[in-house]
Amino acid sequence: AQRVTQPEKLLSVFKGAPVELKCNYSYSGSPELFWYVQYSRQRLQLLLRHISRESIKGFTADLNKGETSFHLKKPFAQEEDSAMYYCALKETGANNLFFGTGTRLTVIP
Amino acid sequence: GAVVSQHPSWVICKSGTSVKIECRSLDFQATTMFWYRQFPKQSLMLMATSNEGSKATYEQGVEKDKFLINHASLTLSTLTVTSAHPEDSSFYICSARRTLLYEQYFGPGTRLTVT
Repeated sequence: AQRVTQPEKLLSVFKGAPVELKCNYSYSGSPELFWYVQYSRQRLQLLLRHISRESIKGFTADLNKGETSFHLKKPFAQEEDSAMYYCALKETGANNLFFGTGTRLTVIP
Repeated sequence: GAVVSQHPSWVICKSGTSVKIECRSLDFQATTMFWYRQFPKQSLMLMATSNEGSKATYEQGVEKDKFLINHASLTLSTLTVTSAHPEDSSFYICSARRTLLYEQYFGPGTRLTVT
């Protein structure tokens, strides 16, 4: 069963527009959720994690246990935000991450 | 910051041969390293989890005899694809987890092409 679902493979927004990348998960316990980003020709890197409740590069993500979602949001998209974004889940006591299929974000100048 | 390197970055080999990919944590010790496989336009699929000094734990469907993983030190893990076939062609990515902290740091990946 797919533990992490990212329904959008591709998402395009204009510069300055708000952006939301969707992530839903399937897990009955208390999950740890992460967003990873992969810029062109670069390695995968951690963007943010839900337990930190931080804003990185203007991005935020709130864990909604009722909707089992962890959507990534930014109020004003920038061109440099264009990248591949992966949502990932870590189950309680597990050693590894389960990744969604990723969303490619393109910010149009 | 924590850096993970992989070598080689790309490799072409003939069907039936074996190829070894190295994953190194350059500036930190990693008790756990992970090996992923990524097909074009698809997500990362975990192949195995490797703990230093012990046998790797393979995910369901991953042949342990075909994908040999060795984690001999706190800074090095290797993945050997034995008797490679064209269907093994893929992008292989490793990640390393700092001791006592969770965050995984990813290597740049190795593109394997089997002809």
